[in-house]
Amino acid sequence: ETGVTQSPTHLIKTRGQQVTLRCSSQSGHNTVSWYQQALGQGPQFIFQYYREEENGRGNFPPRFSGLQFPNYSSELNVNALELDDSALYLCASRSNGQGVYNEQFFGPGTRLTVL
Amino acid sequence: GEDVEQSLFLSVREGDSSVINCTYTDSSSTYLYWYKQEPGAGLQLLTYIFSNMDMKQDQRLTVLLNKKDKHLSLRIADTQTGDSAIYFCAESPSGGYNKLIFGAGTRLAVHP
Repeated sequence: ETGVTQSPTHLIKTRGQQVTLRCSSQSGHNTVSWYQQALGQGPQFIFQYYREEENGRGNFPPRFSGLQFPNYSSELNVNALELDDSALYLCASRSNGQGVYNEQFFGPGTRLTVL
Repeated sequence: GEDVEQSLFLSVREGDSSVINCTYTDSSSTYLYWYKQEPGAGLQLLTYIFSNMDMKQDQRLTVLLNKKDKHLSLRIADTQTGDSAIYFCAESPSGGYNKLIFGAGTRLAVHP
């Protein structure tokens, strides 16, 4: 059983550009969440996808969008990048309904730097 | 509102016990969690506690929950250098589609 993987590991963009981050969920997991972790902070919830539909969103503007594919891999897209978007982006997957304590399995993250 | 607070830094001697504290605001959270983050790695679930429990012990880890004061603590017995990491407290408010609300993290430094 493979864990959650994310690509790329690191990325450098400039203000105004667009970026796509990718996540491959753990086998058998149908729910994926994305978090933004700024330097020195805890992760902040961006949104969650279940069966290819967004079913929950945090306090992030619409320029943060996502997709989940039938194979449960997913993407996080950020348009019109701003300097404050520089952060570690974490993907977490789980199997909806499994694990009464709602364990989410996190990937290693993508470090995005916006110049 | 949703807010989780933690002290930012803790330094302990190897072999001593570490206690990391956390306060949270949402009393509806069914589960509360402790995650560990090592440099260059994602978050690893260390342990969790159900909201109707006061204490949970798991090998070297002891979690204490004071629901009245909305206070959670993690005690690590016999702290080792390999325990050096950032520890995050997290809650999962009910009706929140299982999103996790994290604190800012406590950096634990273990010295000889």
